[in-house]
Amino acid sequence: GQNIDQPTEMTATEGAIVQINCTYQTSGFNGLFWYQQHAGEAPTFLSYNVLDGLEEKGRFSSFLSRSKGYSYLLLKELQMKDSASYLCAVVGEDYKLSFGAGTTVTVRA
Amino acid sequence: GAVVSQHPSWVICKSGTSVKIECRSLDFQATTMFWYRQFPKQSLMLMATSNEGSKATYEQGVEKDKFLINHASLTLSTLTVTSAHPEDSSFYICSASSPGREATEAFFGQGTRLTVV
Repeated sequence: GQNIDQPTEMTATEGAIVQINCTYQTSGFNGLFWYQQHAGEAPTFLSYNVLDGLEEKGRFSSFLSRSKGYSYLLLKELQMKDSASYLCAVVGEDYKLSFGAGTTVTVRA
Repeated sequence: GAVVSQHPSWVICKSGTSVKIECRSLDFQATTMFWYRQFPKQSLMLMATSNEGSKATYEQGVEKDKFLINHASLTLSTLTVTSAHPEDSSFYICSASSPGREATEAFFGQGTRLTVV
């Protein structure tokens, strides 16, 4: 089976940095996605990691360590619009996506 | 990026009736579409994988006779919730992928909020 863990909630101040961790234990591994989801909306793609290391894309960066079964999403220069749920999703050996429960990030002024 | 359109965005229906949700890939041919369900504050749970021209593959615990999936063309898959009950109220999301794209790349529709009263 697939087991994907991420914190339930995080709160940070506007302009700050927040790091959302994700640990996984899955049957096979073919990559890890991070998605952003606002309430009542579908997820939107943020990043994809399949090799170890850091992928940087503007204010968002994602890191992967396959040997540790670990990833994090780093959000810099937080803005109010970044308040959302962030989903970690792992692609297993069957190429299906398994999602974590999501981390709700609240950005305060 | 690719566009996947899902319709309707929200629907309210009476208990016992059936509801059809459409998922269309607008600018690419989607050989595979996925249907997810998401309850409040929970993760997306894969319900079934739909392949064009063949029967859908359902995940364990998902009733295939209750959630009918049809993938008749490369741009359209439908999910019909039959004899809906209040416990079927949820957020249903489709995603689509196709060969030629990154194998794991999936594009999501806008989602459908179903409320059964």
